[in-house]
Amino acid sequence: KAGVTQTPRYLIKTRGQQVTLSCSPISGHRSVSWYQQTPGQGLQFLFEYFSETQRNKGNFPGRFSGRQFSNSRSEMNVSTLELGDSALYLCASSLIVGGSAEAFFGQGTRLTVV
Amino acid sequence: GESVGLHLPTLSVQEGDNSIINCAYSNSASDYFIWYKQESGKGPQFIIDIRSNMDKRQGQRVTVLLNKTVKHLSLQIAATQPGDSAVYFCAENMHRDSNYQLIWGAGTKLIIKP
Repeated sequence: KAGVTQTPRYLIKTRGQQVTLSCSPISGHRSVSWYQQTPGQGLQFLFEYFSETQRNKGNFPGRFSGRQFSNSRSEMNVSTLELGDSALYLCASSLIVGGSAEAFFGQGTRLTVV
Repeated sequence: GESVGLHLPTLSVQEGDNSIINCAYSNSASDYFIWYKQESGKGPQFIIDIRSNMDKRQGQRVTVLLNKTVKHLSLQIAATQPGDSAVYFCAENMHRDSNYQLIWGAGTKLIIKP
């Protein structure tokens, strides 16, 4: 069974630009969660999607948004990029919603904002 | 505020010895706790979980202990091997405002001495 796939692996963007990251969950998993990981803040929950609906949301500004498609693939978008958005963005898939079960992570997308 | 934290940022252990990684949490209403391992360049990998109605759970070479009285979680790794070198994260599943959210600790780096 293929694991969670995130694309691209690396990105370099300029301040003010916008970026879209993609996540393909494990086949059969309908929950996709997104996290931001930085050395100073650790893993911060962004949001979770289940059956194309956002079910849970962390404390990030509206510049961070996401969506989920009917095949459970998810995208995350960050608009008006800031230097502080440089981080590893991780996607995790799970069978159920709500964080009460094992989640499988992708390798992440390393975003650098210059 | 709500937080999940780790007592030690770095733990150095002799190969073959047992490792104990500690975690404190602040929300007594959290009902599910998870340990993840993250190796360099990879996404977090699930190790073991425990629900709040339990105080101990064992896996292969790993044991998680939950002390709800003092809101403390620990991960014990038996006979530590070089492949155990990684950053270990604890996380609690918190129910807040009709949402569930995984709150992550800062991580403990486990170093194995030969």
